[in-house]
Amino acid sequence: GAVVSQHPSRVICKSGTSVKIECRSLDFQATTMFWYRQFPKKSLMLMATSNEGSKATYEQGVEKDKFLINHASLTLSTLTVTSAHPEDSSFYICSASTGGPHTNTEAFFGQGTRLTVV
Amino acid sequence: DAKTTQPPSMDCAEGRAANLPCNHSTISGNEYVYWYRQIHSQGPQYIIHGLKNNETNEMASLIITEDRKSSTLILPHATLRDTAVYYCIVRVVRRTGNQFYFGTGTSLTVIP
Repeated sequence: GAVVSQHPSRVICKSGTSVKIECRSLDFQATTMFWYRQFPKKSLMLMATSNEGSKATYEQGVEKDKFLINHASLTLSTLTVTSAHPEDSSFYICSASTGGPHTNTEAFFGQGTRLTVV
Repeated sequence: DAKTTQPPSMDCAEGRAANLPCNHSTISGNEYVYWYRQIHSQGPQYIIHGLKNNETNEMASLIITEDRKSSTLILPHATLRDTAVYYCIVRVVRRTGNQFYFGTGTSLTVIP
């Protein structure tokens, strides 16, 4: 299957700083990228959907100014956690899909980023 | 927004078939059923997907009922490496793209 690379895999940052997480599709062009958050022993929660060259669509309850998403090219999307606080500590996972709304394609997932805010 | 319900946990003996059920009674006509699995602290791994017909690949088989309100993922010969959380997902089609909302999943434990 297609490969999605997420970087960094782990990051520790101080409270009040910002952290950027990168998500790259290595061998395909990702029309759409998704960002998820996962708490320990819980399921993945969709945060936002981004299409290349347009603004991200955020799920209800997700702060746009807190979680900045940029999808500048067909192979790269970034999530920036701004002014991070300990409650932002979580496992963040991106996924990428090649198809548009009415295509029969799967989403490929990165390996996740473990963010710890101290 | 998850449209699926799954049992929280299941056990399966090594070498036997693992049958994981999923209910999706509110599925719409153009929505696909996808299965992913997640091994601890890793990203989800794609297994299989289908619309109406049963599907089979090198990993698993997917059986979808005729009314499409439920499906079953079958791992024909479970191994210890199949221990994971299995997610059944109904892919929602929106203007912004295909969105995958994860439900609570089934934690499958393969027992030696």
